[in-house]
Amino acid sequence: EAGVTQSPTHLIKTRGQQATLRCSPISGHTSVYWYQQALGLGLQFLLWYDEGEERNRGNFPPRFSGRQFPNYSSELNVNALELEDSALYLCASSGRGRVYTEAFFGQGTRLTVV
Amino acid sequence: DAKTTQPPSMDCAEGRAANLPCNHSTISGNEYVYWYRQIHSQGPQYIIHGLKNNETNEMASLIITEDRKSSTLILPHATLRDTAVYYCIVRPSQGAQKLVFGQGTRLTINP
Repeated sequence: EAGVTQSPTHLIKTRGQQATLRCSPISGHTSVYWYQQALGLGLQFLLWYDEGEERNRGNFPPRFSGRQFPNYSSELNVNALELEDSALYLCASSGRGRVYTEAFFGQGTRLTVV
Repeated sequence: DAKTTQPPSMDCAEGRAANLPCNHSTISGNEYVYWYRQIHSQGPQYIIHGLKNNETNEMASLIITEDRKSSTLILPHATLRDTAVYYCIVRPSQGAQKLVFGQGTRLTINP
């Protein structure tokens, strides 16, 4: 069974541009989470989508946005890129049964803003 | 707003058991204890989780105290590949589902 897949694995953008990162959850999972991990720092929660709706948002500016598609895949968009947006962006997915299942992570997209 | 406290670093000899402690004194009755690890810039890997009973799987054992205010992750026979940052997280079974990561414990397995 395929795990969480993220694309691209690496992305280089110029300051001021927009970046789009993609995530495909594990089959059957309806929740997708996005995290940012700057170099040498911890994982910071960005966004949580479930059943196509944004359920929770971390302390990030509005230029960080995303969406979840009917097939539960997700996009993270970062507008007006700044140098400090350079980081590893991680996506995780979890399912929902009687309780939410454990979340599994992809390998991330490394975004470099120059 | 991590709700757990872990030592910043630990060392363990290869082949020995690695015992990683975690304090979660404000844990609520509906919150599970989750453990993840992150090996150098890879995506975090799920290890194990539990509510109040001790749990064991092929990777590790999780011991939760009776009052649920602390827990210990046990890697029974540590190998060099277990060198990673280990995160202890509390997460409700319903409601807000985000995993809040603290700074974790950097575990180094020495040959």
